[in-house]
Amino acid sequence: EAQVTQNPRYLITVTGKKLTVTCSQNMNHEYMSWYRQDPGLGLRQIYYSMNVEVTDKGDVPEGYKVSRKEKRNFPLILESPSPNQTSLYFCASRRTGSYGYTFGSGTRLTVV
Amino acid sequence: KQEVTQIPAALSVPEGENLVLNCSFTDSAIYNLQWFRQDPGKGLTSLLLIQSSQREQTSGRLNASLDKSSGRSTLYIAASQPGDSATYLCAARTGANNLFFGTGTRLTVIP
Repeated sequence: EAQVTQNPRYLITVTGKKLTVTCSQNMNHEYMSWYRQDPGLGLRQIYYSMNVEVTDKGDVPEGYKVSRKEKRNFPLILESPSPNQTSLYFCASRRTGSYGYTFGSGTRLTVV
Repeated sequence: KQEVTQIPAALSVPEGENLVLNCSFTDSAIYNLQWFRQDPGKGLTSLLLIQSSQREQTSGRLNASLDKSSGRSTLYIAASQPGDSATYLCAARTGANNLFFGTGTRLTVIP
């Protein structure tokens, strides 16, 4: 089944403890991106990647890092999480060109 | 910067009713527009994708239209069912690297 897989689905952590949310797609998509969803603000882009080793900032990149060493994986790294990063996170991918996006099931992160 | 607005924010209808969800965007230079469904606490499921050159797309009881010149898209749901209850999001793709979302319409279909 073609899909975007995120792990973990739920995570509670403490301020300052580094964490990584993984994202993997099995569709050979070139483009991948991360979004966060907050009440009243909708979904906002954090980082995106046009292909392997090519990443760039989205609208809200502060406090996050990403890497794209392989085409299928695009992990989101929070080096020192803070409570304002408590949110629902989504990974998405698509083919290059005017194609639609496929989203993962989301990761609900709580930073206390 | 692209701004996407969805009205109404919430909608309740009796089962069997036909309904229309609205989406407007400020920058008409879009690649495409995509409608998603989100169930509480869940991921986004793609419903329909309309390319900028298209006027509408249909899938089952769903029909989405696009009017680029006026910056509007509508999602029409025919013969609504309780299982259609969810939040519906529209997203306009502008440029190569971003998807701009509305804040959604929360639909409740009452049996």
